[in-house]
Amino acid sequence: ETGVTQSPTHLIKTRGQQVTLRCSSQSGHNTVSWYQQALGQGPQFIFQYYREEENGRGNFPPRFSGLQFPNYSSELNVNALELDDSALYLCASRLDYSQETQYFGPGTRLLVL
Amino acid sequence: SQKIEQNSEALNIQEGKTATLTCNYTNYSPAYLQWYRQDPGRGPVFLLLIRENEKEKRKERLKVTFDTTLKQSLFHITASQPADSATYLCALAGSGNTGKLIFGQGTTLQVKP
Repeated sequence: ETGVTQSPTHLIKTRGQQVTLRCSSQSGHNTVSWYQQALGQGPQFIFQYYREEENGRGNFPPRFSGLQFPNYSSELNVNALELDDSALYLCASRLDYSQETQYFGPGTRLLVL
Repeated sequence: SQKIEQNSEALNIQEGKTATLTCNYTNYSPAYLQWYRQDPGRGPVFLLLIRENEKEKRKERLKVTFDTTLKQSLFHITASQPADSATYLCALAGSGNTGKLIFGQGTTLQVKP
C-alpha cells in the first residue's frame, strides 16, 4: 500500500451534476497530481498542486478544478458532468515538487449516466 | 502531438520465461521514463525510473533499457511468475518537475503456471 487514500471508492452521478473527489496524500508529501483513466487506457494528467497552488495542468476544460489544503490533502471537482467523464480518477502524491516518484491511490470509479 | 505506444495485445508467457514489454514514443524528448504496474481496480504502483542519460537499470528480476535514438524502452521480467500477471504502464516525463506523466495505454501480461 502507498499510504495514499481516496474517497469515495465508487460514485454514480447523472449528466449535468457536479462531483467532488477527495485524496489524502502520503504523510509528509506536499505535491499532488490528479489523473483520469478511461477503461483500457493509460492515465491522463489533469493537474498538479504544490503547497496549495495549481502549478501544472493537462488538456482538461475549466470545469475540472481542484484544491489543496494546508495538510496537503486535495479535492478534484468536476462541474456539468458529461457521459465521457466516466472513468477511474487517480491521485498521486510526491514527497516534494523535485521528487520524481509518484505514489498513486486506489482511485475513485465515477460512472456518469 | 506526443504519442506513446505499448504492445496493444496481451502478452501470454509460461512461468519461468522472460517477459519483454515495449514502449515506443514519438514527438517527445523525455527527461526520464518510468514503469508502473497496475492490478485490476487498483492504482498504478511505481517500479523503475530510468533517465535520458542512462542505458539500463535493474531491480531484482526487473530490467529496463532506454534508447533515446530509437525512442524506445524495453521492460524485462526474468524468471516470470504467475504473480507478475498485471498491466504494465510506461510513462514519460519532461524536465521541470511539473508532475505531468504521459502514460502509454499499458500492456497486459499473463504468466501461466
